[in-house]
Amino acid sequence: SQTIHQWPATLVQPVGSPLSLECTVEGTSNPNLYWYRQAAGRGLQLLFYSVGIGQISSEVPQNLSASRPQDRQFILSSKKLLLSDSGFYLCAWSVRVSDNEQFFGPGTRLTVL
Amino acid sequence: SQKIEQNSEALNIQEGKTATLTCNYTNYSPAYLQWYRQDPGRGPVFLLLIRENEKEKRKERLKVTFDTTLKQSLFHITASQPADSATYLCALGGGSNYKLTFGKGTLLTVNP
Repeated sequence: SQTIHQWPATLVQPVGSPLSLECTVEGTSNPNLYWYRQAAGRGLQLLFYSVGIGQISSEVPQNLSASRPQDRQFILSSKKLLLSDSGFYLCAWSVRVSDNEQFFGPGTRLTVL
Repeated sequence: SQKIEQNSEALNIQEGKTATLTCNYTNYSPAYLQWYRQDPGRGPVFLLLIRENEKEKRKERLKVTFDTTLKQSLFHITASQPADSATYLCALGGGSNYKLTFGKGTLLTVNP
């Protein structure tokens, strides 16, 4: 069966510090991968998605970036965090069919102080 | 721009009643619509999908309708239980880019 892992579960970082969040998927090949952010009152916001290794599409201009160095690994990064980067970060995967049911990881709660 | 609205931020009902949640959208022609459940501090969990050419879908106590003329989906939970208390999200998708656009969600509370 497929599983998705995210770490860390919680993170408290000072403004201006770097960020690296990792997501890995097991039990499937060639998944679509997604990074979302969920902030209070703003719903689930798609940040990046990837349909293959090295293929990243950015949805929102910001100081975040994403990389997919391996088929089932998706990394979210920032060189300098802003207060507005605080939120609940979710990684998700889907298979490459048109219905696109997405499977979400447990999330990372990021607080930037 | 695309806009998705879920009828209310919070809905309170009594145990045993039917909960009805609404998802409306504008400036969008989705090929399908999905509903997810999200518990506090956790990622959303997929519940149901309904395609543009389908009027209704059922799964156990859940029922979803999709009216592309009204640009609306209704999500029903019959014989609701306190364990059904959660935030429910609707999401629209379609096309070749595999993206979903989510609504902000409705927090459902079922009182015993």
